[in-house]
This record gives sequence, structure tokens and C-alpha cells, in this order.
Amino acid sequence: DAKTTQPNSMESNEEEPVHLPCNHSTISGTDYIHWYRQLPSQGPEYVIHGLTSNVNNRMASLAIAEDRKSSTLILHRATLRDAAVYYCILRVWNSGNTPLVFGKGTRLSVIA
Amino acid sequence: GAGVSQSPRYKVAKRGQDVALRCDPISGHVSLFWYQQALGQGPEFLTYFQNEAQLDKSGLPSDRFFAERPEGSVSTLKIQRTQQEDSAVYLCASSPRGRETQYFGPGTRLLVL
Repeated sequence: DAKTTQPNSMESNEEEPVHLPCNHSTISGTDYIHWYRQLPSQGPEYVIHGLTSNVNNRMASLAIAEDRKSSTLILHRATLRDAAVYYCILRVWNSGNTPLVFGKGTRLSVIA
Repeated sequence: GAGVSQSPRYKVAKRGQDVALRCDPISGHVSLFWYQQALGQGPEFLTYFQNEAQLDKSGLPSDRFFAERPEGSVSTLKIQRTQQEDSAVYLCASSPRGRETQYFGPGTRLLVL
């Protein structure tokens, strides 16, 4: 799997939008961009994934650069419960029988 | 519905003891993964099962680590003669056939003294 680069930590005020960046300059054409997050004392949970087009779901939005070398996870209105470590992971499509390769992720702190 | 469950949630072992960690995946999920997470790090892959078959054990750090899933549902990760460096959170994840998303349990925090 290609490598991703994320800031170690970010801070946000409650109820404000948060933009979590991820660089993946060596991404290949078959790599999907996945985001997972890990709340304190819990296992990781799936957030969103995409290939080329921007994606929205009830948890977040994913904005993918036109050249696909970077992406941004957007939390539209951060709450205290969004404080977590966010992982950006590249996965080849239909690789459900292969493990996720986690980096260190970005630790998001949300301030009340 | 019920998610992935793991037991025990916390385990303290003396160095040299054997431990067994249990994972109950979501019912019907074909794939099961074990990961190890050291403090401040992201999870790292240990081993993978498809039904009862262990298809990849390349991440197991030593022959003291052994995993099984005899009936294709519950899985057990066993660590023999535990060492202090085995202290970590052990995470289990499952996924349905053909799906990308992995569903994680809460993990077992192992402390070896």
C-alpha cells in the first residue's frame, strides 16, 4: 500500500468545521482513500472512503484533489465526541482480504 | 445489532505466563483480522482468517504468538511465555465477504509485568 502523510495533531473549537489533511503523492490509479478514526479506549471505526469524486455521508465529507495526491476529511461541525485519532489509509479496490495499514494518524483535540 | 466483542477487556500477566484473548466477530462475517497497537502508535497487522482458514500470519512477531478460529466464528489469540514487550492493545476486526470496511472490537489491553 502507498504511504500517507498526516499532521501529528490538530486542534479545533467546538461547533466549528475541521479540515484534516492527508498527503498521498505516490497513490496509484487503483487506490481508494479510506478514513478511519479511533476514539479513546475504543477500536478504530470506519468514517468514509472515495476514489476520485468528493464524497459525503452522515459522519463527514471527503474532498479529493484533482491529481489525487492529497485529500481532506471535513467534519462540518466538530463536537467533543469527535476528539479522536484520524487515520488516512490507501486501499486497492476489492482488497477486503488484506489488512489495513495504519500510520500514526492525526490526533484531533476539540475545545469547548 | 451486536458489534465485535473482545474479552477480557484488560489483562495483567506476569512475565512468562500464557494468555488467551478472545474475539467474537459480527455474525456471518467471513474475514477476521488481529492487530496489535502499541502506545501512541497505529494498529499493526498480526494475522488474518477467512472462515476457519488462517491465510496470512506474516505479522505475528514470534512463534510465541498463535491464533485460531476453528469453526469460522470465534477466534482466540494466544501468547505463550509473555514478555514485557508484548504489552499492547490487541484489536480484532471482522468484515463481510467482499466488503472493504472492517469493524473493530474495543480491544484487549494486555499489561505484562
